[in-house]
Amino acid sequence: ETVLTQFPGTLSLSPGERATLSCRASQSVSSSYLTWYQQKPGQAPRLLIYGASSRATGIPDRFSGSGSGTDFTLTVSRLEPEDFAVYYCQHYGSSLMTFGQGTRLEIK
Amino acid sequence: QVQLVQSGAEVKKPGASVKVSCKASGYNFAGYYMHWVRQAPGQGLEWMGRLNPNSGGATYAQKFQGRVTMTRDTSVTTAYMELSGMRSDDTAVYYCARGTEGIGYDYGLDVWGQGTTVTVSS
Repeated sequence: ETVLTQFPGTLSLSPGERATLSCRASQSVSSSYLTWYQQKPGQAPRLLIYGASSRATGIPDRFSGSGSGTDFTLTVSRLEPEDFAVYYCQHYGSSLMTFGQGTRLEIK
Repeated sequence: QVQLVQSGAEVKKPGASVKVSCKASGYNFAGYYMHWVRQAPGQGLEWMGRLNPNSGGATYAQKFQGRVTMTRDTSVTTAYMELSGMRSDDTAVYYCARGTEGIGYDYGLDVWGQGTTVTVSS
């Protein structure tokens, strides 16, 4: 099973700033199987990025994903007030899924 | 529109079982996997397993093997997740989510139910 470690645990930034969130896999994985979600309090998660870098339908272009091998990144180019939330990476492999523990993006 | 609607909140005693339903509408139910993900209070997301609504076959996370059963009724486009031998640490919000994945691709869990709160308490 691939373990995903996200860092930092909490990121404090101001609206308009750039956010960089990291996800490290315990072994090399195909970028085709790396996904990112956003979750706000009291809501179900929302799909942001699949295949490491493809935006899901309706996701603003300020969200972008990159990476390969064991290191993946979610970038929010200019933070909007609605972007402050918890972000999770997720890996699919051998019919199993795992999630990272999440990064909380909070307003500074 | 495409949506997943889950059954209501449950309160169970330790050792009991719970069965959560997830009614799908607006798309070809048999054409997408149905995943179950839970979230304990203040904690992260935990994948429990997935169901192939077409075949009825399921794959479970090792942690839940022997305690979880995922089934479906295609006549009412509904998936079910039953968890037995419940403990206090099974208290969580349980989500169903639609997935599209296979060899060489994973398009993510793109549609989620609203969540079902299950509380285990004596």
